[in-house]
Amino acid sequence: GQNIDQPTEMTATEGAIVQINCTYQTSGFNGLFWYQQHAGEAPTFLSYNVLDGLEEKGRFSSFLSRSKGYSYLLLKELQMKDSASYLCAVRDSNYQLIWGAGTKLIIKP
Amino acid sequence: DVKVTQSSRYLVKRTGEKVFLECVQDMDHENMFWYRQDPGLGLRLIYFSYDVKMKEKGDIPEGYSVSREKKERFSLILESASTNQTSMYLCASSTPTGDEQYFGPGTRLTVT
Repeated sequence: GQNIDQPTEMTATEGAIVQINCTYQTSGFNGLFWYQQHAGEAPTFLSYNVLDGLEEKGRFSSFLSRSKGYSYLLLKELQMKDSASYLCAVRDSNYQLIWGAGTKLIIKP
Repeated sequence: DVKVTQSSRYLVKRTGEKVFLECVQDMDHENMFWYRQDPGLGLRLIYFSYDVKMKEKGDIPEGYSVSREKKERFSLILESASTNQTSMYLCASSTPTGDEQYFGPGTRLTVT
């Protein structure tokens, strides 16, 4: 079956760095996505990886290793507004998105 | 600025009622999707559409139907609402390559 695993909840301190991991087992691979979802709001796109390596976008970076079925989202210089759920999704061989349950990130002052 | 709108943010319906959830996008996107989101579960795809008049079943289509008469509008229909359909419903759209999906604000549906 297809499966996306990510931690349910993480806590970090304002100004620090946090890494949110995502592992996947899917039928085929056509890219991995990270979305941010604030409570009660719609998910918004953060990043897309299709090749191995690190993609950096400001304070956020996303890493992919296809051979290991693994990705992480790295958030630097954490701000209170980064408190949200972070969703990992993989596009499979049918070009359908398979979604993880999301990681709720709590930022403490 | 891209925009996906949904007809209601909150909706309360009774068991057995027919429920219509409307979604409109202004980006001229070909692809549109309906998901439901429940605590502890990932987004689950109900139906999607790649073009007007076209529809494809997702992972959990049972108890739902859809309609896409115009490119910008994708409707989700619950023929006879049941309590296990209480959920957050999210609509999304994307271009054919689908590198990014744009989501509406969601409709929180409660069936009593």
